[in-house]
Amino acid sequence: ETGVTQSPTHLIKTRGQQVTLRCSSQSGHNTVSWYQQALGQGPQFIFQYYREEENGRGNFPPRFSGLQFPNYSSELNVNALELDDSALYLCASSTRQLSSGNTIYFGEGSWLTVV
Amino acid sequence: GENVEQHPSTLSVQEGDSAVIKCTYSDSASNYFPWYKQELGKGPQLIIDIRSNVGEKKDQRIAVTLNKTAKHFSLHITETQPEDSAVYFCAAKAGGSYIPTFGRGTSLIVHP
Repeated sequence: ETGVTQSPTHLIKTRGQQVTLRCSSQSGHNTVSWYQQALGQGPQFIFQYYREEENGRGNFPPRFSGLQFPNYSSELNVNALELDDSALYLCASSTRQLSSGNTIYFGEGSWLTVV
Repeated sequence: GENVEQHPSTLSVQEGDSAVIKCTYSDSASNYFPWYKQELGKGPQLIIDIRSNVGEKKDQRIAVTLNKTAKHFSLHITETQPEDSAVYFCAAKAGGSYIPTFGRGTSLIVHP
């Protein structure tokens, strides 16, 4: 177990709706990253949060947004859901120590189905 | 940005055989290379990693090799077991970056 917890584990939403996914980082980790993993694909980087600010963003539209809280937990919000948003959403936590390689540890993910 | 290519996409072996998965990267500044195992319905789990100042690292039946000149690195699993069946992802991260780039994954199937 990595100590990274995500909720909910599964959810179904209708196209056009909004969704919020939650993540608690591993103890001692101050950086949270979110990834989208479509079936049969590798994780695609959405964005990363450090000290409650977005610090790096992948090729995702602005309707993907996030928050990080003082306890380092994080939320991923997706507005105006589209069918292609159906995927496994992974949260990963890490520290900001370059010497350690910044190893990231994943949670079990939230399965989102948009119908 | 970094680009990571991973091969093969599917690998089928008999129990007890060895399995090798290969990745190439494009950014010569990359210096950290983790490997993750993802079982069905679960998140990726780190199984081994290597830094650019090391050419090889081993942990029981798993080993990773790195060739910085050729910009490729490989995962070697010996004496494969059915529980090794999973999708394996390689990743590369440049120094000064906090964001690794992942390969597309290799589905390893170990037949009893």
